[in-house]
Amino acid sequence: EPEVTQTPSHQVTQMGQEVILRCVPISNHLYFYWYRQILGQKVEFLVSFYNNEISEKSEIFDDQFSVERPDGSNFTLKIRSTKLEDSAMYFCASSEVGSNYGYTFGSGTRLTVV
Amino acid sequence: QQQVKQSPQSLIVQKGGISIINCAYENTAFDYFPWYQQFPGKGPALLIAIRPDVSEKKEGRFTISFNKSAKQFSLHIMDSQPGDSATYFCAAGPYYNTDKLIFGTGTRLQVFP
Repeated sequence: EPEVTQTPSHQVTQMGQEVILRCVPISNHLYFYWYRQILGQKVEFLVSFYNNEISEKSEIFDDQFSVERPDGSNFTLKIRSTKLEDSAMYFCASSEVGSNYGYTFGSGTRLTVV
Repeated sequence: QQQVKQSPQSLIVQKGGISIINCAYENTAFDYFPWYQQFPGKGPALLIAIRPDVSEKKEGRFTISFNKSAKQFSLHIMDSQPGDSATYFCAAGPYYNTDKLIFGTGTRLQVFP
């Protein structure tokens, strides 16, 4: 079964450092998303990406965040200067064009900012 | 208009019992209501979904009941098993485009033998 792959599974970083979280979406999916989940809380939307540009972003997705599709397979989330409150699980997801059906999540990257 | 309210926050059920989780949405434009199951350390996985043209959808032991007028939907797990112990998230969003899904706050289900 096709999977969304995320690396690394766990990253620890110092406050103020830049981190890049990586995702390989399902190959025939064209819509990509980042969500985050602070420990024990709900899954929150960060950003959606289609056709090499951001479709929508939430209030959480401020100037410290950026996304990129550097090649035909990877989709990355960069946090420029991490804060303690950025500690969370970050999930990448992808979906087929034109429908939320088939929205598939990766296993997540646990980001710990110390 | 973008919230999805989910209850209860946690649920303890004996093996063989029925687990019921409820959600309410606000945006009447939403027409896709999936439930996701999440095991510790894993991403949410689609369990079952419903569209508002039907009031109920059943897949095995899992059933979604949908009340369009009340803007509510619920997940029923029949004959609950210890392997069903997980966090369950309801979500809502538009079906025919890929705007974001709005997630509920999650229900941690524990099924004891």
